[in-house]
Amino acid sequence: AQSVTQLDSQVPVFEEAPVELRCNYSSSVSVYLFWYVQYPNQGLQLLLKYLSGSTLVKGINGFEAEFNKSQTSFHLRKPSVHISDTAEYFCAVTLISNFGNEKLTFGTGTRLTIIP
Amino acid sequence: EPEVTQTPSHQVTQMGQEVILRCVPISNHLYFYWYRQILGQKVEFLVSFYNNEISEKSEIFDDQFSVERPDGSNFTLKIRSTKLEDSAMYFCASSEQGREKLFFGSGTQLSVL
Repeated sequence: AQSVTQLDSQVPVFEEAPVELRCNYSSSVSVYLFWYVQYPNQGLQLLLKYLSGSTLVKGINGFEAEFNKSQTSFHLRKPSVHISDTAEYFCAVTLISNFGNEKLTFGTGTRLTIIP
Repeated sequence: EPEVTQTPSHQVTQMGQEVILRCVPISNHLYFYWYRQILGQKVEFLVSFYNNEISEKSEIFDDQFSVERPDGSNFTLKIRSTKLEDSAMYFCASSEQGREKLFFGSGTQLSVL
């Protein structure tokens, strides 16, 4: 079975500073990787995903993530954060299979707080 | 952008009571899901639904849980006899293409007293 670890439950960052949110996964087979964001009082929104190809993936709102197979990591980065980036960020994986309905397995989430 | 709508946003119930959580997925989507998040814990998969039947369910989704798409637009989750440990935020999600992009609702916070 696959699993996801987000070691940092809370990350405070000053406005305009860079940020990295860490995600490591475990799986015996190949996976697809995702980052979802949850703004206050809203549902989860897809930030970016890695399915295949270039290991550097760019998403919405200036975020990017790099898939590192040897490190089994998919860390999320942004070079300069804004107050509006304050949210909960979830890393997730799903198995690669012919069955398109595979479930997502989520990490525990990282609460990003931007300090003015 | 179209969105998944969940009602109610908060539901308080007594232990042993039945609850129905309602979701209106995006209209052209074919795949439907329920996830839940107990406070401080991971978002957990409950069930997936496609072509009017359950595709997969987790160990959490026991006989007390059921899902239904009664009228082609709503997607409901029923808990027949709620337990204290069912208290959680329940998220509905839908997708046009399956796992590659899920759209989530804003959740229903269920509190079982």
